[in-house]
Amino acid sequence: DQQVKQNSPSLSVQEGRISILNCDYTNSMFDYFLWYKKYPAEGPTFLISISSIKDKNEDGRFTVFLNKSAKHLSLHIVPSQPGDSAVYFCAASEGDDKIIFGKGTRLHILP
Amino acid sequence: NAGVTQTPKFQVLKTGQSMTLQCAQDMNHEYMSWYRQDPGMGLRLIHYSVGAGITDQGEVPNGYNVSRSTTEDFPLRLLSAAPSQTSVYFCASSYSLFLDRPSSYNSPLHFGNGTRLTVT
Repeated sequence: DQQVKQNSPSLSVQEGRISILNCDYTNSMFDYFLWYKKYPAEGPTFLISISSIKDKNEDGRFTVFLNKSAKHLSLHIVPSQPGDSAVYFCAASEGDDKIIFGKGTRLHILP
Repeated sequence: NAGVTQTPKFQVLKTGQSMTLQCAQDMNHEYMSWYRQDPGMGLRLIHYSVGAGITDQGEVPNGYNVSRSTTEDFPLRLLSAAPSQTSVYFCASSYSLFLDRPSSYNSPLHFGNGTRLTVT
């Protein structure tokens, strides 16, 4: 029973364009959402987060949007750069101590 | 600061062998956790701890034991390794997940670089 779903295993985007990564969740009790980025042979690193009391959070080129009614969040990267090529994980927590991750989306930035 | 240190980086075990994956953090983080990453499965939570002396099960705890005798260390024990435990294991830590919630969240998980385990 997958509570955090990233339905696109991979995504290719031209350098300079917008990358949009999507995430859906099933647990309506989730109140915190995070995005992590992972390069090969390294641990994931935190990118950006959003509380359920907000619908948008920005940090430089990265913006996360939350649609609670649709149980959907997305990560926008503008403009996309070659160093953004990585696997992106969506994660959520529900007020206890567990952070549940999705399966990840591999982003390829094309020159 | 070394951050989160995992040892060993690589390990090969035979079925039935036991071993301990080590995880240490030097950031005085209260919260520590173990994840495994498998192809097509993402990161799955094995066990976690909210402080010394306290541990709890995650999504996939079977076949693994943990203990938290100090704030710094959170070892993961495989009592009898099985081929299904072939995976990359990540340890992560943070300040308390309840800190400053819900208005802001400035305590994300810090991950180690992983241990690649193969069980034959």
